[in-house]
Amino acid sequence: EVKLLESGGGLVQPGGSLRLSCAASGFTFTDFYMSWIRQPPGKAPEWLGVIRNKANGYTTEYNPSVKGRFTISRDNTQNILYLQMNTLRAKDTAIYYCAIPAPGDWFAYWGQGTLVTVSS
Amino acid sequence: DIQMTQSPASLSASLGETVTIECLASEDIYSNLAWYQQKPGKSPQLLIYYANSLNDGVPSRFSGSGSGTQYSLKINSLQSEDVSIYFCQQNYDSPWTFGGGTKLELK
Repeated sequence: EVKLLESGGGLVQPGGSLRLSCAASGFTFTDFYMSWIRQPPGKAPEWLGVIRNKANGYTTEYNPSVKGRFTISRDNTQNILYLQMNTLRAKDTAIYYCAIPAPGDWFAYWGQGTLVTVSS
Repeated sequence: DIQMTQSPASLSASLGETVTIECLASEDIYSNLAWYQQKPGKSPQLLIYYANSLNDGVPSRFSGSGSGTQYSLKINSLQSEDVSIYFCQQNYDSPWTFGGGTKLELK
């Protein structure tokens, strides 16, 4: 069974940094692309970026809305996906999900999410 | 970025009724469209991909259709467990973008 479990969310001050983790199990981690998606309270989801699989060199692609501030990485020995977020702003307040994109770039598997609140 | 506009933003319907939700893309997305259902406090769940392909385990009362820039999600014989927010997502061109959502309630 595919499982994705996010952690690391919490309250952070504007301008601060935070690193989220997503522990993956139930599938061969290195075979799959992994994405981060966020959802501000009461709003639509926003795709943040993707890190590709081993066959595609673990390359990354980002939504221009967060490129340069957010970095996606993965630890393929421990099956963990990361999202490093810097220079956080109030607008970054959201539930952050990790998700597995299918080859067609829809998302069949999502974690339960972790809440990030940016506030002073 | 491709903009996805959903309508209506909210919808109230009775048990057993047929409901249709629309999604309009700002350009042709060639049927690269997915629909998700999100219940309160839960993550979105994939219902339909490639505009009309039902994801495994999704009841057959859900169906998708459309082409070009216009797509729709139809729910036949509305059940109480269908009360949710529904989102469309285009997977034609990066960055992948979602519609604003349609909140479905029982009348």
